[in-house]
Amino acid sequence: GEDVEQSLFLSVREGDSSVINCTYTDSSSTYLYWYKQEPGAGLQLLTYIFSNMDMKQDQRLTVLLNKKDKHLSLRIADTQTGDSAIYFCAENSGNTPLVFGKGTRLSVIA
Amino acid sequence: SAVISQKPSRDICQRGTSLTIQCQVDSQVTMMFWYRQQPGQSLTLIATANQGSEATYESGFVIDKFPISRPNLTFSTLTVSNMSPEDSSIYLCSADRIDYGYTFGSGTRLTVV
Repeated sequence: GEDVEQSLFLSVREGDSSVINCTYTDSSSTYLYWYKQEPGAGLQLLTYIFSNMDMKQDQRLTVLLNKKDKHLSLRIADTQTGDSAIYFCAENSGNTPLVFGKGTRLSVIA
Repeated sequence: SAVISQKPSRDICQRGTSLTIQCQVDSQVTMMFWYRQQPGQSLTLIATANQGSEATYESGFVIDKFPISRPNLTFSTLTVSNMSPEDSSIYLCSADRIDYGYTFGSGTRLTVV
């Protein structure tokens, strides 16, 4: 079945850029998503990218998609302590349910 | 973005009882999804709920344990039946909006004692 892989931990200094990486196996993926989950909270949709796009930028967030390598990344510029959370990568094809990675725990050091 | 209201936000329940979680979307959606997130884990899909038909359950989840209702295009409920401590998790509903992507409710944190 489809699989989504992420590294489990990332630690960065406040003000630096964070890059969270994700790989997936489903070649028919249509949409790829990034979610943020703060402690005790639900999932906040940060951004998503359609599979025919290479890049999407939204304020401090930049998503890069390499469809050939099935690699997705989320770059957070000027990382702040409020960015500390778990970030989930997810993908789906059309109306199918999302397949999630295990999440990357981002720790921001002041 | 689409707003999904989920309640209760948390509950502590006695083993053997049942809890019904409600999810209200601010617009009509074709499909709604129910997920479970066990402590420190990622999300696992329980079932897909379509209006007017029975929910489709994923492997390892059965209707008797997790009955789902979908009476209209904006509302769904998930019941966790005959609860045991192993059911302690966060339960989340989700809906797909074409313009907004998949958005989630704020989750229900369930503790079974």
